[in-house]
Amino acid sequence: ETGVTQTPRHLVMGMTNKKSLKCEQHLGHNAMYWYKQSAKKPLELMFVYNFKEQTENNSVPSRFSPECPNSSHLFLHLHTLQPEDSALYLCASSERLAGGYEQYFGPGTRLTVT
Amino acid sequence: QKEVEQNSGPLSVPEGAIASLNCTYSDRVSQSFFWYRQYSGKSPELIMSIYSNGDKEDGRFTAQLNKASQYVSLLIRDSQPSDSATYLCALRSTLNDYKLSFGAGTTVTVRA
Repeated sequence: ETGVTQTPRHLVMGMTNKKSLKCEQHLGHNAMYWYKQSAKKPLELMFVYNFKEQTENNSVPSRFSPECPNSSHLFLHLHTLQPEDSALYLCASSERLAGGYEQYFGPGTRLTVT
Repeated sequence: QKEVEQNSGPLSVPEGAIASLNCTYSDRVSQSFFWYRQYSGKSPELIMSIYSNGDKEDGRFTAQLNKASQYVSLLIRDSQPSDSATYLCALRSTLNDYKLSFGAGTTVTVRA
C-alpha cells in the first residue's frame, strides 16, 4: 500500500449506531488530519495530530471522537450522528505540522447518516 | 469576508485552450499556497505549491502568486477533457501555521 489509505470507502449508518473510520499513511509523515467536505462547501478542518498528540479540535461536536495511536494511524469514532453529518470525510498527512509542508489526502469515506 | 475566495464556475473552455483560475485571500501574512484538483467523487490531489511571488511552472500548469495584491492563480495550458474537475485553492498562514484554509473550488469543464 502506498500513500494514504482510508476504510471503509462508503458507510451508511443510523443515528443510533457506533462506527469508526480508519486512516493509515505509508509516507513516514508525522502530522495527520481529519477534514469534512460537505456539498458545495469548503473543506472543514476537524482535528489535527502531530506526533500522535492532538493539537487542534476545531469546535467539533463530541459525537466525533478522534484517536491517534501512532504517527501512521488515525481513527474517527462516530456515535449518535445526525443526518447533517452526512459528508465526505477525508484524512490527510504531511511530513511536518508547520511550514510549507504539503498535505496529501486519502480517498475519503463517503458517510450517509439515515 | 471569506478567508479564501474562488469563483465557483463552472468555467467552460474548449480543448486546447488556456484555463485561468483565480483565488484571492484576506490574510496578509499567508505564506504557503497550494492548488488541488478534485475529480467528482474523489479526494483532492495536490498539483502545485508556490511560496514566492512570481510564476512557477510544472508541465501544463503554471501557478502565479502576487502577495501584494493577495491573489494566486492557476493557468492550465492546452486544456484536455481530463482536466475537467474542481480546482481548490488552499493557503497556510504563519499566524496559524498548521491550518490549511481552502476555498470552495472552481469547477472547470473542458469541452472537446
